Amino acid sequence: QVQLRESGPGLVKPSETLSLTCTVSGGSVSSGSYSWSWIRQPPGKGLEWIGYIDYSGSTNYNPSLKSRVTMSVDKFKNQFSVKLSSVTAADTAVYYCARDSSGYFAFWGQGTLVTVSS
Amino acid sequence: SYELTQPLSVSVTLGQTARITCGGNNIGGRNVHWYQQKPGQAPVLVIYRDTNRPSGIPERFSGSNSGNTATLTISRAQAGDEADYYCQVWDSSGGVFGTGAKVTVV
Repeated sequence: QVQLRESGPGLVKPSETLSLTCTVSGGSVSSGSYSWSWIRQPPGKGLEWIGYIDYSGSTNYNPSLKSRVTMSVDKFKNQFSVKLSSVTAADTAVYYCARDSSGYFAFWGQGTLVTVSS
Repeated sequence: SYELTQPLSVSVTLGQTARITCGGNNIGGRNVHWYQQKPGQAPVLVIYRDTNRPSGIPERFSGSNSGNTATLTISRAQAGDEADYYCQVWDSSGGVFGTGAKVTVV
């Protein structure tokens, strides 16, 4: 069974860069059958897809965040990561990583809350 | 960008049927996926590609999709079905989630 776990700072200052890593177990980020997504959920609000990266490093980002998002994959550590620059309070959210299987997210991490505050 | 509209809330009597809609322009031409999210937990996939249930999801959960509306149906609703439900599709620009519907079992 595939398991995903997010890790990273829970507090980020405004204008700085948010960095999170997702560690995958029970499966490989090198698999050509899947892509690996980040999704976020502001407190009390709905889900927002941030973007995905696949095994080859190809990416696709939400147009509303594209100018601030960078994703990468580390095949040796079986991890993938997201960086979101120039954060504001509006970026405060629970951030999830998930595995995309032909368009749907069958496996999710437990989520990690990132608060943007000075 | 593509938008998906869901009712803010759906109320269902214990043991009866709940129907949660997801509206989008010609959504019938897309694959729709549904997620259940309970407070403090990550979303769980309950329906994929319109009508398919992942293993472990009760048969009480079913889906349909036609025209401008996709529907998640919960039959014989139980107290444990109380949750937020989100629909999701892929657009040319990426993943799109519905606004979310809160299901209350009374």
